[in-house]
Amino acid sequence: EVQLVESGGGFVQPGGSLRISCAASGFTFSTYWMSWVRQAPGKGLEWVANIQHDGSEKNYVDSVKGRFTISRDNTKNSLYLQMNSLRAEDTAVYYCAREAANWAISRWGQGTQVTVSS
Amino acid sequence: QSALTQPPSASGSPGQSVTISCTGTSSDVGGYNYVAWYQQHPGKAPKLMIYEVSKRPSGVPDRFSGSKSGNTASLTVSGLQAEDEADYYCSSYAGSNNFYVFGTGTKVTVL
Repeated sequence: EVQLVESGGGFVQPGGSLRISCAASGFTFSTYWMSWVRQAPGKGLEWVANIQHDGSEKNYVDSVKGRFTISRDNTKNSLYLQMNSLRAEDTAVYYCAREAANWAISRWGQGTQVTVSS
Repeated sequence: QSALTQPPSASGSPGQSVTISCTGTSSDVGGYNYVAWYQQHPGKAPKLMIYEVSKRPSGVPDRFSGSKSGNTASLTVSGLQAEDEADYYCSSYAGSNNFYVFGTGTKVTVL
């Protein structure tokens, strides 16, 4: 069974940093593009970043470029998102997501809450 | 990159059909046949319901169907059931600079 389990969320002050993680199981992690998608309270979904299966290509939504870094460790079947210079508007549930070959997201984790507030 | 436009709400009685629209531009919905639809129940993760405009993943009932015309995609839920009450989001590939753009979301209520 495919499982994506996020961890590392929490409460952080504006300007602070946080790293969230995603542990993958039930599929060959190293052969999939992976994404982070977030959802602010009461709002819609927003794609944040993705990473190619071997980590050689990374892409970001404009609002996080230069502040967030996506990475992966295929030996540990894990995906990460390092978030720096956090802002109140980064407050959201962050979902780890497995991409399909047809530009759809076929599997989602349950999400981890990140709250940025003073 | 702006979010795709969806109506905030839609509703129907059990057994009826409801159609949700998703309007973008020629840079996303109109430019690619990579529109997907997701169902999200309160407090839960989204679930893929439709991909590549009209294809259903294994396990998704055939009551769910998708289509596209120009810059607007649509999701139709036929034979509405109580468990279909949820938020629905469309998404589209938007090119190598933007990748995924999501819709604003539609809350479907089964009356």
